[in-house]
Amino acid sequence: AQSVTQLGSHVSVSEGALVLLRCNYSSSVPPYLFWYVQYPNQGLQLLLKYTSAATLVKGINGFEAEFKKSETSFHLTKPSAHMSDAAEYFCAVSMEYGNKLVFGAGTILRVKS
Amino acid sequence: GAGVSQTPSNKVTEKGKYVELRCDPISGHTALYWYRQSLGQGPEFLIYFQGTGAADDSGLPNDRFFAVRPEGSVSTLKIQRTERGDSAVYLCASSLDPDGNNEQFFGPGTRLTVL
Repeated sequence: AQSVTQLGSHVSVSEGALVLLRCNYSSSVPPYLFWYVQYPNQGLQLLLKYTSAATLVKGINGFEAEFKKSETSFHLTKPSAHMSDAAEYFCAVSMEYGNKLVFGAGTILRVKS
Repeated sequence: GAGVSQTPSNKVTEKGKYVELRCDPISGHTALYWYRQSLGQGPEFLIYFQGTGAADDSGLPNDRFFAVRPEGSVSTLKIQRTERGDSAVYLCASSLDPDGNNEQFFGPGTRLTVL
C-alpha cells in the first residue's frame, strides 16, 4: 500500500525566510503527487501537482516542488515566507486510475513576524 | 461557478443515532470522493463514485457506513449506529473524471461530533 510521510508536524519560519516542507512517498513507480493547503475553517486547496511532465513544478502563491525519484521525495519550497502562508499543508499521492488520494499527516506552517 | 458544497457544516448527534451527510459536487464532474479527517491527521479515503456506481469502497471502515449517488450528482454518506470514534470532519471532493492527472476539488467538510 502507498504511504506518504511528512517530516515535521509543525514548522516555524520567520517572515521572508525560506519555507521547506518535506514529503516522502513509498512507491517504486512514479506516482501522481500533490500538495494541498488548508487554511483555518476552509476546505483543501490544490497548491501544485506533479504528473511526470516536469520534475520541478510551480504552483500558486510562489510555491514550488521538485520530484526526485531517487529519493522518493517531493518537498515543497517557497523562497520567502509571507504571513498569509500560515496554514496546514498536506502532501498526497495517487497511483492509479480512480485517483484515490493517500495523504500525509500534514505540516502546520507558522510564520513569525 | 459554484464549488463543492456539503451540508450540514456541523452535526452533533448521540451515540447510536443515524446520520446523513450530503455532498453537492461541481456540475459536470463524474467522479466523487469521500474522505474522513480525524483530529491531527490527514484525510483518509472512504469511497469513490464514478457516475452512479461506487467504483471503490475499500476505505469504508465497516458496514455501518454506506454511501449513495443515485443520479450521478449529489451523494449522501450514511452512518448507522454512530460511535464516538466516528467523530471527525467528513470531506467530499469531485473531479472531472477519475484520471489520476485530474485535480480533486474539495468541499468545506461536515464536522461530525458523536456524544
